[in-house]
Amino acid sequence: NAGVTQTPKFQVLKTGQSMTLQCAQDMNHEYMSWYRQDPGMGLRLIHYSVGAGITDQGEVPNGYNVSRSTTEDFPLRLLSAAPSQTSVYFCASGQREGSEQFFGPGTRLTVL
Amino acid sequence: AQRVTQPEKLLSVFKGAPVELKCNYSYSGSPELFWYVQYSRQRLQLLLRHISRESIKGFTADLNKGETSFHLKKPFAQEEDSAMYYCALRNSGGSNYKLTFGKGTLLTVNP
Repeated sequence: NAGVTQTPKFQVLKTGQSMTLQCAQDMNHEYMSWYRQDPGMGLRLIHYSVGAGITDQGEVPNGYNVSRSTTEDFPLRLLSAAPSQTSVYFCASGQREGSEQFFGPGTRLTVL
Repeated sequence: AQRVTQPEKLLSVFKGAPVELKCNYSYSGSPELFWYVQYSRQRLQLLLRHISRESIKGFTADLNKGETSFHLKKPFAQEEDSAMYYCALRNSGGSNYKLTFGKGTLLTVNP
């Protein structure tokens, strides 16, 4: 099993550009989520999904969209990037009834 | 609202010294508490959870509901313990499976 994979590892965007951060898991987990990690702020939940076709907002959803068309994939879209979205983004997945979440390696995003 | 507080952003100890990373939480229901660790250039991973009551890499953590704390302890710190540690809380009931993380404590173990 590859676990949770994320692409790209690094990305530089200009303000106003759009892009999609990819996340996939091969553990048949129902629950998937996106976090951003900022110095002094810890990990903050952006969006999450409890199953295919179901998504909901987390703590800091503004500026981000998600969709969950399959169990395996949970992409995060930035429609118009802003410098405040410069961060490290982590995708995670877990079993619905379980309690451990498995994290991807992260995507380091810089918005100029 | 659930909240996790890690009062120390940075913690520095010498090798062989005891270490305690503090975690306090606020939650009105029945929480599940976790410690996650992120070593340099590695992904975040689960270190331990309170329901398993196990010791991982010499670390233990006891849930104290009276003090609403879940401090992480190790009697003799090693250099390889240097990492960022996050305390996290999850609602164990209902349909809310979200994890709430503290802001993290960066532990440095000096030789």
